[in-house]
Amino acid sequence: AQSVTQLDSQVPVFEEAPVELRCNYSSSVSVYLFWYVQYPNQGLQLLLKYLSGSTLVKGINGFEAEFNKSQTSFHLRKPSVHISDTAEYFCAVKTQGGSEKLVFGKGTKLTVNP
Amino acid sequence: GAGVSQSPSNKVTEKGKDVELRCDPISGHTALYWYRQSLGQGLEFLIYFQGNSAPDKSGLPSDRFSAERTGGSVSTLTIQRTQQEDSAVYLCASSVVTDTQYFGPGTRLTVL
Repeated sequence: AQSVTQLDSQVPVFEEAPVELRCNYSSSVSVYLFWYVQYPNQGLQLLLKYLSGSTLVKGINGFEAEFNKSQTSFHLRKPSVHISDTAEYFCAVKTQGGSEKLVFGKGTKLTVNP
Repeated sequence: GAGVSQSPSNKVTEKGKDVELRCDPISGHTALYWYRQSLGQGLEFLIYFQGNSAPDKSGLPSDRFSAERTGGSVSTLTIQRTQQEDSAVYLCASSVVTDTQYFGPGTRLTVL
């Protein structure tokens, strides 16, 4: 079975500061990795995904993530955040060639303060 | 184009009543998923439909939960004899097989 751990439930930062949201996963088979964002009272929106190839993945809104197989991590970064980035961020995994279901972490609430 | 739509957006019901939640996937998407988002459990997979294949029901928490997908498009999630612990946001997603899942806005279910 797969599992996802998001190490920080809440991350407060000031506007224009850099941010890193941490994600570690556990799986006995190869996985695909995803980051989704959820704004208040909305559904989930895909930020970026890692399927194969380059381990540095760039997504929407200036976010990027790096897949580290040896550390089983997929941390999300942004060099300079905006107030509008305030939202909840979810890391998720899906097995390669297996079940199509996504397994999610518990989420990290990012709050950007002026 | 239109995204995944869900109805109703909010549903309040009394304990013991049955409820039906509807999902309209993105046109052309053959895969459809239901997830549940609750404070205690986070985001949990419920069920997955792919074309005419038998659905993956491995995430349904009890036999009070069922889902169907008619004509390979619209899906209905039914919860019978609702309990307070069923209160959650129910999210639907659709995708082209093995690709990105696109989520709807969810239905917030409150069981009194």
